[in-house]
Amino acid sequence: GDSVTQMEGPVTLSEEAFLTINCTYTATGYPSLFWYVQYPGEGLQLLLKATKADDKGSNKGFEATYRKETTSFHLEKGSVQVSDSAVYFCALSPSYSGAGSYQLTFGKGTKLSVIP
Amino acid sequence: DTGVSQNPRHKITKRGQNVTFRCDPISEHNRLYWYRQTLGQGPEFLTYFQNEAQLEKSRLLSDRFSAERPKGSFSTLEIQRTEQGDSAMYLCASNLRPNTEAFFGQGTRLTVV
Repeated sequence: GDSVTQMEGPVTLSEEAFLTINCTYTATGYPSLFWYVQYPGEGLQLLLKATKADDKGSNKGFEATYRKETTSFHLEKGSVQVSDSAVYFCALSPSYSGAGSYQLTFGKGTKLSVIP
Repeated sequence: DTGVSQNPRHKITKRGQNVTFRCDPISEHNRLYWYRQTLGQGPEFLTYFQNEAQLEKSRLLSDRFSAERPKGSFSTLEIQRTEQGDSAMYLCASNLRPNTEAFFGQGTRLTVV
């Protein structure tokens, strides 16, 4: 079945440091790929997505590129801020879903703490 | 619209009791999902509704679990004869089309004692 593997945390960075959170997936065909973020006390929010190979999703300074050849969707940000402290989840939606659900399969999440 | 709403936010129950959670999705979203999230794990899919029809159920959804979505609006998730292993965060999400942003509620945290 489909699966997502992301680097385990927690990750602690100083403000303005470079961030990379690795994510790889196993799925047939061309799934859609997502990064969701969960800030303390809040629900999951979509951060960015990519729906086909070589697409780059970007939002709030975060970027991730859909790499079919390495089945990866690594999250990067050039300069993190304290406000980026949250849990980040990589997820995929299958390219085909018989019942039409196209449900998300999530990684375990990576907790990021940014210190001033 | 204020987004996906879940109630209650927290529920503590004794083992063996029944519990019911409610989810109010974004009003125009016909697609509704339930997920379960345990500590240190990502959310896991439980079930999917399109309008009032429950079209897919995960093998995680044992016979003690039942979900409904009458009239295709709000949804309820009931757990009968709760067990300690049912302790988790139960998340509801909705969207309008496949592979578009799923909007999540803040979840109901269930603790079975």
